[in-house]
Amino acid sequence: DSGVTQTPKHLITATGQRVTLRCSPRSGDLSVYWYQQSLDQGLQFLIQYYNGEERAKGNILERFSAQQFPDLHSELNLSSLELGDSALYFCASSPYLGGTEAFFGQGTRLTVV
Amino acid sequence: AQSVTQLDSHVSVSEGTPVLLRCNYSSSYSPSLFWYVQHPNKGLQLLLKYTSAATLVKGINGFEAEFKKSETSFHLTKPSAHMSDAAEYFCVVSGGGGGNKLTFGTGTQLKVEL
Repeated sequence: DSGVTQTPKHLITATGQRVTLRCSPRSGDLSVYWYQQSLDQGLQFLIQYYNGEERAKGNILERFSAQQFPDLHSELNLSSLELGDSALYFCASSPYLGGTEAFFGQGTRLTVV
Repeated sequence: AQSVTQLDSHVSVSEGTPVLLRCNYSSSYSPSLFWYVQHPNKGLQLLLKYTSAATLVKGINGFEAEFKKSETSFHLTKPSAHMSDAAEYFCVVSGGGGGNKLTFGTGTQLKVEL
């Protein structure tokens, strides 16, 4: 158990809908990262937050947004969902801004039908 | 920009034989390098990390990796494979810029046969 909690574990929704994925980092970790894993794209970095502020952005679509709250949990919002958004979404956390390993949650499997 | 290249998408070994998973990296900065493992339908687990201390790094479950700057490589090895090692392995580089973006390789699927 990495100490990172993601909810829900599975999500099935229809095209055009909006969903929110939630992540609770390890106790004391200030950085939260979101990754998308799909068969064709592999593991893609989406976005990083550190202590409530956005610090790095990757291949995140404009339909997607994220935030980190004062209690350090984070949410990833996915809207106007398309079939191609079906993937495993991972949250990870680490204590610092850079140079360290990150600890991953078990992921949320999103299926868009 | 930083990147990693995993040279083999699939590796198959017999149980009890050595494992070698190859990774080359590219980084403008002094990199931090990691190996993660993902078992089917599971999350990503850290196997080991290199952060500019000893060049030979020991990890969990008998795995180790050697950082070779001259070859820009960070290959993962294990002397004797076990059936439970069957999984996907990712080489990861971190460092540079204002964040801690972890850049993943494309993964190597390790198959262990009896």
